Amino acid sequence: DVKVTQSSRYLVKRTGEKVFLECVQDMDHENMFWYRQDPGLGLRLIYFSYDVKMKEKGDIPEGYSVSREKKERFSLILESASTNQTSMYLCASSFMGDGYTFGSGTRLTVV
Amino acid sequence: GESVGLHLPTLSVQEGDNSIINCAYSNSASDYFIWYKQESGKGPQFIIDIRSNMDKRQGQRVTVLLNKTVKHLSLQIAATQPGDSAVYFCAENLNNAGNMLTFGGGTRLMVKP
Repeated sequence: DVKVTQSSRYLVKRTGEKVFLECVQDMDHENMFWYRQDPGLGLRLIYFSYDVKMKEKGDIPEGYSVSREKKERFSLILESASTNQTSMYLCASSFMGDGYTFGSGTRLTVV
Repeated sequence: GESVGLHLPTLSVQEGDNSIINCAYSNSASDYFIWYKQESGKGPQFIIDIRSNMDKRQGQRVTVLLNKTVKHLSLQIAATQPGDSAVYFCAENLNNAGNMLTFGGGTRLMVKP
């Protein structure tokens, strides 16, 4: 089975901290995505990547950056965490033309 | 458990009944559609997909119907069980949009024992 693993299920960070959310997939997928999910707002795309060292902004990239140094790993970085970044973060991966496989999510709380 | 959406349409069904969840998609050029299930506090899980050259596809207890004329997608769950309680999302892939899926807002399915 394809596995997308997010390093933490729950995370609590302080305002202003730099936060790293890690995502690893084991099926050699080219594409990787980061979404946040908030009540009433659905899934919103933050960043995505179609290849190593490649990144593209999604719909809500402000306050975030990403890193894809290796094909299997796509990291989401909150440069200076703020309370409005409290959310559920979902990583996904796919082959071109196929559906996404999602990770279990990271529930981030910024206090 | 945690809510994935506080303002979602909700479908409430009796255990053992069939469920039908509907989705209107936005783009007539979309050629690939997927249904996902998301249980409370977890990531979305793939249920079933369908390409635009088909109008019906069946899985285990689930059937997806595609009506391209009215841009409508539905998910039918036979003999609904308590474990089917979750939020269900449809997603569409626009042809020539790379691998970008567009997600619907979701429907919460509640199964009454």
